[in-house]
Amino acid sequence: QKEVEQNSGPLSVPEGAIASLNCTYSDRGSQSFFWYRQYSGKSPELIMFIYSNGDKEDGRFTAQLNKASQYVSLLIRDSQPSDSATYLCAACGSGSARQLTFGSGTQLTVLP
Amino acid sequence: EPEVTQTPSHQVTQMGQEVILRCVPISNHLYFYWYRQILGQKVEFLVSFYNNEISEKSEIFDDQFSVERPDGSNFTLKIRSTKLEDSAMYFCATQRTGGAGELFFGEGSRLTVL
Repeated sequence: QKEVEQNSGPLSVPEGAIASLNCTYSDRGSQSFFWYRQYSGKSPELIMFIYSNGDKEDGRFTAQLNKASQYVSLLIRDSQPSDSATYLCAACGSGSARQLTFGSGTQLTVLP
Repeated sequence: EPEVTQTPSHQVTQMGQEVILRCVPISNHLYFYWYRQILGQKVEFLVSFYNNEISEKSEIFDDQFSVERPDGSNFTLKIRSTKLEDSAMYFCATQRTGGAGELFFGEGSRLTVL
């Protein structure tokens, strides 16, 4: 059973702080990892993806991947109240399977 | 920007009725998916579809479910005889070839089974 695990939170940070979201995955064959943001009642929206060990930065967001530890994280710098949402971590299947397996999400609240 | 469109946005049905949810994928994407999300729970994979056939399906996707691409544009999910536990948000997603595997989601169809 391929699993993606996240702390469900809720995680609260003050406006302007760094929010750190973590995720682990069970399938060592997974190649690509994704962070989605989901507002209540809405569909997941892609923030960024990563497939190489190390860091990848995109604006205020930094994804980190450590394949040896099977660990993915997302840092949000200068957090804004509009960042308040549930953040979903997902892993792409190994081999010919291309579907993503999602974690249960971490609920983030950025306090003004 | 191209997007995935889904209809209806909300459907209420009686238990035992058939439901068809429709999706128009992004035009140059070749991989199509249905996911569902029961309220408060995780986004769960149902089925993937490529080259006019199912490529993967989950345990959830039993004989009550079917998918097809009847006219080369729409991608549909049919639930033959709905159960109360089918109440969920159903998301269509598409994936392009040559990408990292990222999925692009439609806005979802909320199904309520009474």
